[in-house]
This record gives sequence, C-alpha cells and structure tokens, in this order.
Amino acid sequence: GQNIDQPTEMTATEGAIVQINCTYQTSGFNGLFWYQQHAGEAPTFLSYNVLDGLEEKGRFSSFLSRSKGYSYLLLKELQMKDSASYLCAVLDSNYQLIWGAGTKLIIKP
Amino acid sequence: ETGVTQTPRHLVMGMTNKKSLKCEQHLGHNAMYWYKQSAKKPLELMFVYNFKEQTENNSVPSRFSPECPNSSHLFLHLHTLQPEDSALYLCASSPESLADSYEQYFGPGTRLTVT
Repeated sequence: GQNIDQPTEMTATEGAIVQINCTYQTSGFNGLFWYQQHAGEAPTFLSYNVLDGLEEKGRFSSFLSRSKGYSYLLLKELQMKDSASYLCAVLDSNYQLIWGAGTKLIIKP
Repeated sequence: ETGVTQTPRHLVMGMTNKKSLKCEQHLGHNAMYWYKQSAKKPLELMFVYNFKEQTENNSVPSRFSPECPNSSHLFLHLHTLQPEDSALYLCASSPESLADSYEQYFGPGTRLTVT
C-alpha cells in the first residue's frame, strides 16, 4: 500500500529553527508537496520538489531524497504565525496525490 | 471575490436531510476537486473534474453526488448521510489536471456535522 509518515505534533520556540520530516512509500514518484494549513483555514501551497536537493524560499526550505523516500521542511526564525499544520503529499506514478495526516506545529514564545 | 470560495462554511444536518455544498473558483482553472478532511487523518480525495468531466471517483458512497455545471462551479449534493460523514469538506482547483500542473488552490472548507 501507499503510505506517507510525518510526526503528529511538534513544539518549537519563537525565533528558533524546526525541521518537519516526511517519509513516503508510494507506487512511483512525480513530486512531493508541502502545504500549510492554519486552524479553520484552507491549505496553502508552500513548496514542490521533484529533484533531489534543497529548495529555499525565504524562511522556508524543503529537501528531497528520492532514494531514501524522504523529505523535510525546514522553518527558520520561527514566528508565532507559523503555528499551523504542515501537510506532506506525494504525486505517485498515476498522478494521484497521496497525503500525510499532517504535522501540527506549536510555537511557544 | 478572488480565489476559491465555498458555501456554506458550516452546516448541521440530520441523517434524513438533503443539502448541497457549493464551490466556486475565480482563477480560470480547468480542474476541480472535492476532498474530505477528518481530524488527524490524511486528506481523502473524493472526486476530480477536469474540463467539467468527472475523471476520478475514489469509491465514494452514493449518498455523495457531485455536479460540475461549468469549470468555475462545483457542487456536492448530500443525502441520507451518516454521523461518520461529519468532517471538513474542502474544494480545490488547479490550472489543469495534476499531470500537467502541480499546485492546488483550496477553498476554506465547509464544516459538516451530521446529527
């Protein structure tokens, strides 16, 4: 079966750095997405990786290793507004999006 | 309005009721999606429409019936639902199908409670 694993919840301190991991086992791979979802709001797109390596976008970076079936989202200089759920999703060989259950990130002052 | 809108934002219905959820996108996209989001579970893709044609129906019970009259509007008709259908129902759109483009734009969702 297809599976996406990410931690259920993480806690970090304002101003710090946090890394949210995502591992996947899917039938084929056509890219990996990260979305942010604030409580009661719509998910919003953060990043897309299809090649190995690190993609940096401001305070957020996303890393992919296809050989390891692994990605992480790195958030720097954490702000209180970064408190949200972070969803990892993989596009499989049939272009179906397989979603993880999300990681709830709690930022403390 | 811009983006993807959904109405109503909250809905409480009995198991014998019939109701409809509405989604509208103002982005000129050609693909639209219905998702179900339950607490602490992955997003479940329910239906996909590409150029108004349904291309995916992921084993969704017949008590959920989608309708896509044009590429800007998507409906989800609900009847004789069960309490386990209580969830957040999200609509999303993308310029083309996922095979051609990658980013989905989500609406704020309808919080459905079945009593």
